[in-house]
Amino acid sequence: DAGVTQSPTHLIKTRGQQVTLRCSPKSGHDTVSWYQQALGQGPQFIFQYYEEEERQRGNFPDRFSGHQFPNYSSELNVNALLLGDSALYLCASSSETGWSETQYFGPGTRLLVL
Amino acid sequence: DAKTTQPPSMDCAEGRAANLPCNHSTISGNEYVYWYRQIHSQGPQYIIHGLKNNETNEMASLIITEDRKSSTLILPHATLRDTAVYYCIVRSSQTGANNLFFGTGTRLTVIP
Repeated sequence: DAGVTQSPTHLIKTRGQQVTLRCSPKSGHDTVSWYQQALGQGPQFIFQYYEEEERQRGNFPDRFSGHQFPNYSSELNVNALLLGDSALYLCASSSETGWSETQYFGPGTRLLVL
Repeated sequence: DAKTTQPPSMDCAEGRAANLPCNHSTISGNEYVYWYRQIHSQGPQYIIHGLKNNETNEMASLIITEDRKSSTLILPHATLRDTAVYYCIVRSSQTGANNLFFGTGTRLTVIP
């Protein structure tokens, strides 16, 4: 049973570019959440997708957007990249019907903006 | 904002029990206590969670005080592979409100 997978593992972009990160949830999970983790900090919640719609959102600008597909996989898009967007981007999946909706994390995508 | 307070760092001798404390004095009745850990540059790993009662699984035990204002994560026999940052998180049990607010956690170092 595959856990949460993310692609790519590493990415280098330049300021002003756009990036798309991908996440496949754990089998049986229908909810995907995205987090940003800057160096030396704990992960910060970006947003959560359920039934192909954004359900919750943290304190992130509109440059951060996402999408969830019918197979529950998800994408995170970041436009007009800034140097400060350099971070580890984590995807977590959970089941709306599972007990207490525990989130399980993927290995992350490390983004470097130059 | 994080609703928990943890010591920034702790050491533990290999083979001994590691007891990681967490204060969550403002926890409400419908909030769970969750523990995750993160080994360098990897995604956070779920350890255990509880609501009121103490919990135990193959990884750890979670002891929650009767007033629910604090808890302790216990790793019964710490190994070098348990060296990681441990996060204590309180999270609503409301459906659709399961996003996690991470603090800075406790950096546990297991010493040979």
